[in-house]
Amino acid sequence: DVVMTQTPLSLSVTPGQPASISCKSSRSLLHSDGKTSLSWFLQRPGQSPQLLIYDAFNRFSGVPHRFSGSGSGTDFTLKISRVEAEDVGVYYCMQNIEFPPTFGGGTRVEIK
Amino acid sequence: QVQLVESGGGVVQPGGSLKLSCVASGFVFNDYGMHWVRQAPGKGLEWVAFIRYDGSSKYYADSVKGQFTISRDNSKNTVSLQMNSLRPDDTAMYYCAKDSIRLLDWLLPDSWGQGTLVTVSS
Repeated sequence: DVVMTQTPLSLSVTPGQPASISCKSSRSLLHSDGKTSLSWFLQRPGQSPQLLIYDAFNRFSGVPHRFSGSGSGTDFTLKISRVEAEDVGVYYCMQNIEFPPTFGGGTRVEIK
Repeated sequence: QVQLVESGGGVVQPGGSLKLSCVASGFVFNDYGMHWVRQAPGKGLEWVAFIRYDGSSKYYADSVKGQFTISRDNSKNTVSLQMNSLRPDDTAMYYCAKDSIRLLDWLLPDSWGQGTLVTVSS
C-alpha cells in the first residue's frame, strides 16, 4: 500500500497568518494520464471530511482561494495564505492512484 | 446538491452483524462509484470499500476483506455495507462517499455523508 506521511502533526496559527502542511507519499503519484493523484481534505470539528484540493492543485467547487496545493511526484504541500477561524480542524492528504486509497495521519490546525 | 444520508449504525456485540445503508440524491447515482470510509474514535480516516457505478466490481481494504460486503441498488439510489463477525476494533463512524468521476473508478471521494456510528462492545 502507498504510505502517506504528513507533517507537522499539529499547527497553531494566528488569524491572518499563513500555514503550510506537508505530505509525502511512498511512491510517485503521477498518473499515466499526466495528472497527479493527490488530494486534500479538511475535517472540521464534529463534521465529515470535505474535499479541498484534488489532482494536487485543483480547488474543489466552492473552496476559497486562500487554499492552494502544490507539489509533484512524492512531495506535496497544502498552503493557507491567511488562516481564518473557520479553517480549524484536521487536514488529511490522500492518494487515489491505486487501491487501496490511503490517507495521511492528519494535521490538526488550531487558532492561537 | 449532493446529499448522502447514512443509517443502520448502533451498538452490537462482538461477533454480531450490522448492515449500513446510504441513500443518495442530487446526482445521477448509477453513474458514480461509491465508497465507505471509517474513522475510529479520535483516529484518522481509513478507506473501507468501493463499488463501481454499475456494481460490476468491488474492492475492499485488507482489514475487512471476507468480513464486509458492499452492494448497491441503483433503482433505490442506495449503497449498503453488510458487516459480519464484528470486532471491537471495527468501532468507528462510517461514512459513505461519492466518487468524483462518472463512469470511472477514480477512487476520489468528493462528497461525504454525515456518517453513522457503529459501536462493537459487550
